[in-house]
Amino acid sequence: GAVVSQHPSRVICKSGTSVKIECRSLDFQATTMFWYRQFPKQSLMLMATSNEGSKATYEQGVEKDKFLINHASLTLSTLTVTSAHPEDSSFYICSARGMDSREKPQHFGDGTRLSIL
Amino acid sequence: KQEVTQIPAALSVPEGENLVLNCSFTDSAIYNLQWFRQDPGKGLTSLLLIQSSQREQTSGRLNASLDKSSGRSTLYIAASQPGDSATYLCAVSRNNNAGNMLTFGGGTRLMVKP
Repeated sequence: GAVVSQHPSRVICKSGTSVKIECRSLDFQATTMFWYRQFPKQSLMLMATSNEGSKATYEQGVEKDKFLINHASLTLSTLTVTSAHPEDSSFYICSARGMDSREKPQHFGDGTRLSIL
Repeated sequence: KQEVTQIPAALSVPEGENLVLNCSFTDSAIYNLQWFRQDPGKGLTSLLLIQSSQREQTSGRLNASLDKSSGRSTLYIAASQPGDSATYLCAVSRNNNAGNMLTFGGGTRLMVKP
């Protein structure tokens, strides 16, 4: 089946650092990628939707300048948490969807646990 | 705004029991509904996807039903095993200008005891 690789799986860094998370589709072309955030024992909250070659669409309440999303190719999207602070600590998960598959499942990465000290 | 609710939030059962997880949603204008499994600290594994025109899907010991008009779905797990212990999430898809998006329920944390 389709595989989505997310890297790194875990990041621990100091407050003020910018952190980049990569999401790659390994065996299909992902025209759309989604970024989610999950707090402990809570469900996933959609942060933004990105289409290859265009600007990301952010959900209400998500700071665009804080969470920079780039989807420059059909197999790679990146989420950069800029000047991270402890309140940004969370589990971040990406998912990807291929061409002409609006009615098919999204494929999820294994997530990145971000801890800001 | 779509809201997805899952009941119960947590469930503990002995091995071998059949069990039902419930999911309800407020807006019936959906593309499809998916059930996912999430192990601690991991991403999501898709279990079943039901299109809006379908009423149920089956995979092995899992059966998911969808009643779109009443905004409900159930996930039935037969003969539960300790390996089924995980959090189960349901999600409904909706359309926006960027493509279909998923709205997740809060999940049901399942523990199957040997």
